[in-house]
Amino acid sequence: EDQVTQSPEALRLQEGESSSLNCSYTVSGLRGLFWYRQDPGKGPEFLFTLYSAGEEKEKERLKATLTKKESFLHITAPKPEDSATYLCAVRDGGATNKLIFGTGTLLAVQP
Amino acid sequence: GAGVSQTPSNKVTEKGKYVELRCDPISGHTALYWYRQSLGQGPEFLIYFQGTGAADDSGLPNDRFFAVRPEGSVSTLKIQRTERGDSAVYLCASSSGGVNTGELFFGEGSRLTVL
Repeated sequence: EDQVTQSPEALRLQEGESSSLNCSYTVSGLRGLFWYRQDPGKGPEFLFTLYSAGEEKEKERLKATLTKKESFLHITAPKPEDSATYLCAVRDGGATNKLIFGTGTLLAVQP
Repeated sequence: GAGVSQTPSNKVTEKGKYVELRCDPISGHTALYWYRQSLGQGPEFLIYFQGTGAADDSGLPNDRFFAVRPEGSVSTLKIQRTERGDSAVYLCASSSGGVNTGELFFGEGSRLTVL
């Protein structure tokens, strides 16, 4: 069964304190791994798509990387406005078009 | 509007009642998805439309749930005989090119509370 596990469940950082979020996945034939950001009371907002091991994507203070078993979202010198829940999702190699989401990491960045 | 619009934003109903949730996707987006998100959980897939047809409804939990998209634009998620376990935020998303990019544009959701 396809599975996505995110860790930690919650992370509290001081402003400027870099860290990484983890997304481990089990899927038969990965057709993409996706990172989304979700603010309270809002829908998820797309950040990145990764397709193959070794691939990296960057956007401002965020960098996403992918291996054959997991993905990392690195946050460099975070600011309070980076506080949100970060969701990881995968699409499997079957005929379905659905995304399977993890439970997310709740990030709080304190000034 | 520029984004995905969902109505109502909040719905409180009693157990056993019928509920409709509406989604107005981004203009021109052919793909539309419904997800359900419970507190502290990630979104859970319900159904995917490509145009007017339901291309994948494998996530609908049972036959009390039904969704339509008659003209390939607005979609309605219908829940019959609501149960307390149906309480959640129902998210709608649209995209321009199927799921190939994984870039879905989500609405803010409809929060359903079943008393």
